[in-house]
Amino acid sequence: DTGVSQNPRHKITKRGQNVTFRCDPISEHNRLYWYRQTLGQGPEFLTYFQNEAQLEKSRLLSDRFSAERPKGSFSTLEIQRTEQGDSAMYLCASSPGQSSNQPQHFGDGTRLSIL
Amino acid sequence: GEDVEQSLFLSVREGDSSVINCTYTDSSSTYLYWYKQEPGAGLQLLTYIFSNMDMKQDQRLTVLLNKKDKHLSLRIADTQTGDSAIYFCAERNYGQNFVFGPGTRLSVLP
Repeated sequence: DTGVSQNPRHKITKRGQNVTFRCDPISEHNRLYWYRQTLGQGPEFLTYFQNEAQLEKSRLLSDRFSAERPKGSFSTLEIQRTEQGDSAMYLCASSPGQSSNQPQHFGDGTRLSIL
Repeated sequence: GEDVEQSLFLSVREGDSSVINCTYTDSSSTYLYWYKQEPGAGLQLLTYIFSNMDMKQDQRLTVLLNKKDKHLSLRIADTQTGDSAIYFCAERNYGQNFVFGPGTRLSVLP
């Protein structure tokens, strides 16, 4: 098991463009989380999935953001009409089982830079 | 509401002990976690403690929890240069997501 994998590691794009990130969780984990981390801050929760169902969304997740996990395995996070304030590290995490007590395991993140 | 606070910086000499402190506000927190983040990388789980415990030890790491004061600490014994990183405290309540502190940047001086 290679852990949580995120692609791409870095994305540079112009303001107004759409971007999509991918997260492959640890294979037996059925919970998947997205976070955003800006410089000098801790990660902020965006959304999470239990299998393919998106169960919670933060108010940080504006209507320009959408996340999917169609088959309950990998997930994508899309940002439409990017703005400079979207520049951040986007982190994905996964955890196993039905219990919410299991710790989350993080990927190395996708760093987004908006020009 | 939920809020997690940490001091932002800590410097120690190699071989000394480091103590990183965290306070949280949500008394319903069930688990509290410590994560380590190195430059350009994601978060690495170090250890976690259930809210009905007051201490947990794992090799060089000791976690102390004072539930009455909502205070959590992480002690790293015999701190090494490889321990230089940002350390995040996080709480998990009966919801499904974590709330992270701003992180403490630990610098280990030779």
